[in-house]
Amino acid sequence: GQQVMQIPQYQHVQEGEDFTTYCNSSTTLSNIQWYKQRPGGHPVFLIQLVKSGEVKKQKRLTFQFGEAKKNSSLHITATQTTDVGTYFCAADTGTASKLTFGTGTRLQVTL
Amino acid sequence: KAGVTQTPRYLIKTRGQQVTLSCSPISGHRSVSWYQQTPGQGLQFLFEYFSETQRNKGNFPGRFSGRQFSNSRSEMNVSTLELGDSALYLCASRAGQSSYEQYFGPGTRLTVT
Repeated sequence: GQQVMQIPQYQHVQEGEDFTTYCNSSTTLSNIQWYKQRPGGHPVFLIQLVKSGEVKKQKRLTFQFGEAKKNSSLHITATQTTDVGTYFCAADTGTASKLTFGTGTRLQVTL
Repeated sequence: KAGVTQTPRYLIKTRGQQVTLSCSPISGHRSVSWYQQTPGQGLQFLFEYFSETQRNKGNFPGRFSGRQFSNSRSEMNVSTLELGDSALYLCASRAGQSSYEQYFGPGTRLTVT
């Protein structure tokens, strides 16, 4: 079955440092979504990427979809303590509801 | 609009019992998906219902079943509970089949002893 791996599993940064998580799929994707889950919370939708090579920005967050539509990344510039949580990519192979979630990257930000 | 609601929020059951979890989607949303989240396996898709019909199913045994009512509310049932079923069960709603953004509920934390 489809596998979606994320690296790193965990990252601890000082506030103000940058952070990047990478998502890799074993198969070509129709699109990819990103979610954030705060500790004790539930996943919250961040964005969807559809086009090959697509780059989207949301304030300090930059999302990128690979040219081959098999990988994606999320980059946070100048992290803040509010960025703490686990970031998941979710792969869609053509059935929007049957998402395959990545393993997640847990981000810890300290002052 | 009120968000996705799930009841109960916490549940403790014994091995062999069965359990029913409930999910009320955002008003107007017709698609409800269920996910299981565990530390070991992460977030795994269980099934999706749209207009009272199961549209997709994940790789879970037949002990896991669900249904959706005409008001879009959904229930998930797990029979013959096993210790490994302990997890956070999340439901997510979408406006329709062409909508991609999923709105997750707070989840039901199930503990099987």
